[in-house]
Amino acid sequence: DAKTTQPTSMDCAEGRAANLPCNHSTISGNEYVYWYRQIHSQGPQYIIHGLKNNETNEMASLIITEDRKSSTLILPHATLRDTAVYYCIVRVVNTGTASKLTFGTGTRLQVTL
Amino acid sequence: NAGVMQNPRHLVRRRGQEARLRCSPMKGHSHVYWYRQLPEEGLKFMVYLQKENIIDESGMPKERFSAEFPKEGPSILRIQQVVRGDSAAYFCASSPNLNTEAFFGQGTRLTVV
Repeated sequence: DAKTTQPTSMDCAEGRAANLPCNHSTISGNEYVYWYRQIHSQGPQYIIHGLKNNETNEMASLIITEDRKSSTLILPHATLRDTAVYYCIVRVVNTGTASKLTFGTGTRLQVTL
Repeated sequence: NAGVMQNPRHLVRRRGQEARLRCSPMKGHSHVYWYRQLPEEGLKFMVYLQKENIIDESGMPKERFSAEFPKEGPSILRIQQVVRGDSAAYFCASSPNLNTEAFFGQGTRLTVV
């Protein structure tokens, strides 16, 4: 699986949009971009994933650049409960063999009043 | 539909004892992943199982650790002769199909004294 690079930490004011970047310059054509987050010491929570088109769900939006070498997770209106470590993961999909999720160090997002 | 259930949530074992961690996947999910998170560290993949089969155990320590996912019942991660270094949070995730998004449980926190 391709390697990802994320900033170590970010701050965001409550109510503002949180934009979390991720670089995956070596991504292959059959690799998806997944985002998870881990709030304090809870189990990781799935947020969203995509291949090349932008995706949106009730939690967040995922913007993937046209060359697929980077992406941005957007939390449109961050709240204190969004304070967590956010992981960007690149994963091979649909090859007929299982592909594990490989977690890096992530971005520690701190939402403040 | 209940989420991924792990038990116990907290487990204390003396050095040399055995630890058994259980994971009941979400209904309809036949794929299970186990991860370990040492204190202040990231999530490390351990093993991937599909009903009655170990698919990928590349992250499992060579000795003392084993995992199973029987036809009936939960997946079990077994650690024999525990040592202090085994103290960690162990997370289980499940997914319904090959390489779809995986959903995590709340983890079992093992403390070896």
